[in-house]
Amino acid sequence: SQKIEQNSEALNIQEGKTATLTCNYTNYSPAYLQWYRQDPGRGPVFLLLIRENEKEKRKERLKVTFDTTLKQSLFHITASQPADSATYLCAPVSSNTGKLIFGQGTTLQVKP
Amino acid sequence: GAGVSQSPSNKVTEKGKDVELRCDPISGHTALYWYRQSLGQGLEFLIYFQGNSAPDKSGLPSDRFSAERTGGSVSTLTIQRTQQEDSAVYLCASTGAGAAIQYFGAGTRLSVL
Repeated sequence: SQKIEQNSEALNIQEGKTATLTCNYTNYSPAYLQWYRQDPGRGPVFLLLIRENEKEKRKERLKVTFDTTLKQSLFHITASQPADSATYLCAPVSSNTGKLIFGQGTTLQVKP
Repeated sequence: GAGVSQSPSNKVTEKGKDVELRCDPISGHTALYWYRQSLGQGLEFLIYFQGNSAPDKSGLPSDRFSAERTGGSVSTLTIQRTQQEDSAVYLCASTGAGAAIQYFGAGTRLSVL
């Protein structure tokens, strides 16, 4: 069955450092992959989308890579700030159904 | 409205009662999704409506769960004979035609006592 794995343990880093979050998927070939941010008590908010023919996508301090051979996406936040503290969810999208399947998320804590 | 609206924001019910959760998607959005999120867990897909197509109900955990979408807009998720394990946050999201980005509501927190 289709499976998405994100680091289940919280990631704690110091302000100013780069945070790197990992998303691995198995048993399917998504046409594209999305990353969302979720704050406590709120619904997820879209951050970035990367297509299967794109290796890298950037938006301000965010960078996403997509390696279809490794079946992995990496999400980077450079010059991290305490306000970046949240749970980050990856969601590969099936090319057949257009349906998103979400990973369980990785919680990032940026300490001042 | 400007965003996806869900109601109620919180619902406390007794075991065995039926509950209805409502989702108002962004006006004009053709696709609507329901997810369930248990404490500290990821989003569990429940059901997906796309235009006039038959809904994808593959994520519904049991026949106590059902959903409908009237007039291609508002959706109601119904849970019959609620159980304690149904306690979770129920999230709704919508997307525009041909678009991939999902816009989420704030969710309904359901507590079954």
